[in-house]
Amino acid sequence: EIVLTQSPATLSLSPGERATLSCRASQSVDRYIAWYQQKPGQAPRLLICDASNRATGIPARFSGSGSGTDFTLTISSLEPEDFAVYYCQHRYNWPTLFGPGTRVDIK
Amino acid sequence: EVQLVESGGDLVQPGGSLRLSCAASGFTFSSNWMNWVRQAPGKGLEWVAHISRDGNNKYYVDSVKGRFSISRDNAKNSLYLHMNSLRADDTAVYYCAKDTNGGGRGLEYWGQGTLVTVSS
Repeated sequence: EIVLTQSPATLSLSPGERATLSCRASQSVDRYIAWYQQKPGQAPRLLICDASNRATGIPARFSGSGSGTDFTLTISSLEPEDFAVYYCQHRYNWPTLFGPGTRVDIK
Repeated sequence: EVQLVESGGDLVQPGGSLRLSCAASGFTFSSNWMNWVRQAPGKGLEWVAHISRDGNNKYYVDSVKGRFSISRDNAKNSLYLHMNSLRADDTAVYYCAKDTNGGGRGLEYWGQGTLVTVSS
């Protein structure tokens, strides 16, 4: 199975700052990576699919990049509502797995 | 509007069984891949199972193989998760999730989740 690692585990930033989150796969997943945001007590929300395509209704400050084994989710300027946990997921083969998550909290 | 509503979560003893349901509306259910994803208290997301549009292809995470079974009834717009031989580490909120149109790109819509607690 393909394992995903995410770094850092926690990112402490201030509103307006840029956030850069990393997701690394144990083997190539081409561009079959999705990113999700989850806030406490809520279901996850799809942000990005196919590594770089924003899902419907997702603001332009969210962007994704990468291919193969290394992927990045960037939030260009953090809004108060962006402080949450972010997960990557590969959709390359079965089982599809999630990474352990990166928590973005307020500095 | 797409809606996914899970039900069936409960407190069950170790070794017991439970069936979760997910009622879907607002989209053509029979045209979409569906999934179950769980989240243990305070932990991350874990994909559990997937079923194809016609129900003929099913995939599971290793930890539930042989114990859980995913199924669907396209006439009733419903997804199910049959859980047997439940263990304490199956305790989690279970989410029903719809794949993106065309399938395989991401989990586009999620229900609110239903809590399964396995404890004596």
